[in-house]
Amino acid sequence: KAGVTQTPRYLIKTRGQQVTLSCSPISGHRSVSWYQQTPGQGLQFLFEYFSETQRNKGNFPGRFSGRQFSNSRSEMNVSTLELGDSALYLCASSPTPSTGGGTEAFFGQGTRLTVV
Amino acid sequence: DQQVKQNSPSLSVQEGRISILNCDYTNSMFDYFLWYKKYPAEGPTFLISISSIKDKNEDGRFTVFLNKSAKHLSLHIVPSQPGDSAVYFCAAIPVRGANTLFFGTGTRLTVIP
Repeated sequence: KAGVTQTPRYLIKTRGQQVTLSCSPISGHRSVSWYQQTPGQGLQFLFEYFSETQRNKGNFPGRFSGRQFSNSRSEMNVSTLELGDSALYLCASSPTPSTGGGTEAFFGQGTRLTVV
Repeated sequence: DQQVKQNSPSLSVQEGRISILNCDYTNSMFDYFLWYKKYPAEGPTFLISISSIKDKNEDGRFTVFLNKSAKHLSLHIVPSQPGDSAVYFCAAIPVRGANTLFFGTGTRLTVIP
């Protein structure tokens, strides 16, 4: 069974540009979440999608957005890039939405975004 | 506001000894806790989890303890092996939450051969 696939692995962008990152979850997983990892802030939750609907959103500005397609693949977009957006962006897929019991999320290898 | 905290950024342990990684949380709504292991340039890998209705969960060399009254959990690795060297993150999921993980800042474990 293939794992979570994120593309591209590495990306260099200029301030002010926009970027789109892609995530293909594990087959059969319908919940996709995105996280940002930076040295100073650690791993922070961006948003979660389930059945093409955003169910939860972290504390990030509106420049960060995402969507999910009918095949559960997800994209996240960052517009008007800032230097501080340089980070490892991780996507995680889960088999079911959590109802309080909790399920472990399976992470992709991430996309390393560098903004210059 | 960091709701999950790992106060030790690093830990060094001799091979064969016990590694104890600690994690504290502030939100009493958290109901499910997980530990992840992460190597550089890779995504976190799930290790072990525990529900708030339990105080201990064991899986091979890994045991997680939860003290809900103290809002504290710990991960014990016995015996520690050099391959365990990585950054360990604890994470929490809120009650009735979606698949939203609140992560600690991580502890870098180094197991010395």
